[in-house]
Amino acid sequence: GQQVMQIPQYQHVQEGEDFTTYCNSSTTLSNIQWYKQRPGGHPVFLIQLVKSGEVKKQKRLTFQFGEAKKNSSLHITATQTTDVGTYFCAGPFDNQGGKLIFGQGTELSVKP
Amino acid sequence: DGGITQSPKYLFRKEGQNVTLSCEQNLNHDAMYWYRQDPGQGLRLIYYSQIVNDFQKGDIAEGYSVSREKKESFPLTVTSAQKNPTAFYLCASSIAWQGDQPQHFGDGTRLSIL
Repeated sequence: GQQVMQIPQYQHVQEGEDFTTYCNSSTTLSNIQWYKQRPGGHPVFLIQLVKSGEVKKQKRLTFQFGEAKKNSSLHITATQTTDVGTYFCAGPFDNQGGKLIFGQGTELSVKP
Repeated sequence: DGGITQSPKYLFRKEGQNVTLSCEQNLNHDAMYWYRQDPGQGLRLIYYSQIVNDFQKGDIAEGYSVSREKKESFPLTVTSAQKNPTAFYLCASSIAWQGDQPQHFGDGTRLSIL
């Protein structure tokens, strides 16, 4: 069945270092969404990518959607302690409307 | 402010007991969802509702039940048939039942067994 795999599962960085999480789908996705969940909190929608090869930026965060629309990445430049949390990617099931497949998430910890 | 309200924040269940988790949204969204999150895991879909008076089983529906009698409300009942209910439960909604719609989440309910 359709799967969305995310790596790494955990990443520990020193404040100021960069961070990247990767998301790979077993099938082509019509779009990919990214969410952030702070410790003890709930997932919050960050961004959606739709086009092949699309790149979007939000301040220090850069999101990419692969040319084949099967992979995506989130890169954070110069991490800050406020970046701590788990980052999830999610993509829709084929022909199943609003059902999203979520990756397992990458938990980011930042040491000050 | 518009949003999704889940209650209670913490819930304890005794053996053989059914418990109901509340989810209310004032975003005027058609679609609503219930997810289960276990430590270090992603989100697994329990039930979803495309529109009022409709709901469908997700990937892990056994031991759970829902209703959608009002557009703004989508309560989840964890029945005694669910043998491992300890988890973080998240309710979400989206404008429509479409895969390109972002989902908005409530603050969640943490359920534990006494």
